[in-house]
Amino acid sequence: DAKTTQPNSMESNEEEPVHLPCNHSTISGTDYIHWYRQLPSQGPEYVIHGLTSNVNNRMASLAIAEDRKSSTLILHRATLRDAAVYYCILRDENAGNMLTFGGGTRLMVKP
Amino acid sequence: GAVVSQHPSRVICKSGTSVKIECRSLDFQATTMFWYRQFPKKSLMLMATSNEGSKATYEQGVEKDKFLINHASLTLSTLTVTSAHPEDSSFYICSPITSSYNEQFFGPGTRLTVL
Repeated sequence: DAKTTQPNSMESNEEEPVHLPCNHSTISGTDYIHWYRQLPSQGPEYVIHGLTSNVNNRMASLAIAEDRKSSTLILHRATLRDAAVYYCILRDENAGNMLTFGGGTRLMVKP
Repeated sequence: GAVVSQHPSRVICKSGTSVKIECRSLDFQATTMFWYRQFPKKSLMLMATSNEGSKATYEQGVEKDKFLINHASLTLSTLTVTSAHPEDSSFYICSPITSSYNEQFFGPGTRLTVL
């Protein structure tokens, strides 16, 4: 799987928007961009995924650059419960189903 | 989302004993099961992949005789850590998937502590 690069950690204030960046300059045409998050002492949970167009769901929005070499996960109003490690992962639909996790970004939310 | 359970959620055992971890997909049939482990402050590392009714495929560096995986049904897979040692202490996470899916579901994890 193509590699992604994320900042190790970020801080946010409660009820403010958070933009979590991810670089994936070697992304291929068949790679989907997936975001998962892991709360402390829990298994990862799905957040959102996309291919080329921006995506919105109840949890977050995903903004994908036009050249697809980067993307940004947007939490519109951070809450204390959003404090977690956020993983940006590329998944090649043609190369098997498993997700390969990188280091992720640890998001800290301040009250 | 899909419901995945793991049992036990936490286990402490003595060195040399074996520990079995169960993973159940409660509302869908898992044709494939991924097992990950996660050391403190590290990311998830894939250990092995198993398909229902066949032998598991292990990642490089993971001993198949030490980490026994059984995937006998579409709703249950087990990981047995045999002759556990303190260096096996970790957070073990299962991830069942169906043959067609968009999101990968994960169990809540099992924290193993070997004394």
